[in-house]
Amino acid sequence: EMELTQSPATLSVSPGESATLSCRTSQSTNFLAWYQQKPGQAPRLLIYGASTRATGVPARFIGGGSGTDFTLTISSLQSEDFAVYYCQQYDKWPFFGPGTKVD
Amino acid sequence: QLRLQESGPGLVKPSETLSLTCTVSGGSIRSSSYLWGWIRQSPGKGLEWIASIYYSGNTYYNPSLRSRLTISIDTSTKEFSLKMSSVTAADTALYYCARHEYFDFWSGSGWFDSWGQGTLVTVSS
Repeated sequence: EMELTQSPATLSVSPGESATLSCRTSQSTNFLAWYQQKPGQAPRLLIYGASTRATGVPARFIGGGSGTDFTLTISSLQSEDFAVYYCQQYDKWPFFGPGTKVD
Repeated sequence: QLRLQESGPGLVKPSETLSLTCTVSGGSIRSSSYLWGWIRQSPGKGLEWIASIYYSGNTYYNPSLRSRLTISIDTSTKEFSLKMSSVTAADTALYYCARHEYFDFWSGSGWFDSWGQGTLVTVSS
């Protein structure tokens, strides 16, 4: 069964800085999505296909990687970007990672 | 703008059946490009996909939950529903319905591009 590991668990950054979040899968895949979740809200799709931004997602969100190592880079963090970020693989059925909190 | 709204009882007794409904508005539930799915979120297990369904009735279930699940759809009322039997405290979670854009129709793999606000279900006597 596919396993997802996200690191770090918490990432402390300041507004204007860049943040790079990591998602590692236990099996090679190119079927990876990223979501943002703010307190009291449902997750919001940011990236699918490892690097394709969803509709309306700002260009500062950049998905990359392939195989077993994937990244989500948020360039020039805005105040509204402080949230929890989840990766999700869809190689067979949807499976989510444990999340990285950006604060 | 697509909107999904979950409804159902917030409290279910252990060993009973949890029943939830999602109402879709602002878009077609009969789209050939999407499935309609359920995801739950609990402090202990994070986000977990439960099941999804195509408008014509094709169903997809999380293998670890399959034996307790039934997902159904009613295109005339633009609703899809989830039943989970024999619930325990471990099923206590925030349950979301979502539009599921599939990558592979036969496996149901894909991502979730529009979510409801979620409904909290507590399993307790």
